[in-house]
Amino acid sequence: DTGVSQDPRHKITKRGQNVTFRCDPISEHNRLYWYRQTLGQGPEFLTYFQNEAQLEKSRLLSDRFSAERPKGSFSTLEIQRTEQGDSAMYLCASSRTSGSIDEQFFGPGTRLTVL
Amino acid sequence: GNSVTQMEGPVTLSEEAFLTINCTYTATGYPSLFWYVQYPGEGLQLLLKATKADDKGSNKGFEATYRKETTSFHLEKGSVQVSDSAVYFCALRRTDKLIFGTGTRLQVFP
Repeated sequence: DTGVSQDPRHKITKRGQNVTFRCDPISEHNRLYWYRQTLGQGPEFLTYFQNEAQLEKSRLLSDRFSAERPKGSFSTLEIQRTEQGDSAMYLCASSRTSGSIDEQFFGPGTRLTVL
Repeated sequence: GNSVTQMEGPVTLSEEAFLTINCTYTATGYPSLFWYVQYPGEGLQLLLKATKADDKGSNKGFEATYRKETTSFHLEKGSVQVSDSAVYFCALRRTDKLIFGTGTRLQVFP
């Protein structure tokens, strides 16, 4: 399968711990997006990269959140000092910029539960 | 600001019934509009899109028309199947990010 993959699929952690998620985009895609989805809501944009450059960050992305895409391929999203309010599904998407509107392809998500 | 409003679910239908899921948006300018679908246990998939006023997006029997005058992008299907049971998200694209509605769960019974 050459789609967007995310690891782990599920993560349970205790409040105050740090967690890191990984996203592997479709190989030829230069853009990578992170979204967060809470129960009963639609996904909310967090940040995105074009190649290795982080081009936009949402106000939702507090100082405890950091995302990287060091070589313009896979990306990591780290949450430090997790809080119960961080419990959500974290979605990654990738796209390839072209002349037309680029479709974002989504991964299966990482479900985070903070106890 | 930019936002998307969808009708609340769940929408419960019998097989072969007609489906409408309402979606309206608020945005500056003329954003591109999308419907995404999330089947149980799977990731979001693009269902259809429209990039300018009066465009009609269509896929798998689903259709939606970009209505600038009513700022709407309602999803329709003439005859639903059990396999259409999923959560449907309306979204708009501003700059490079997607802004989603809250989703509408569709349940189709045989």
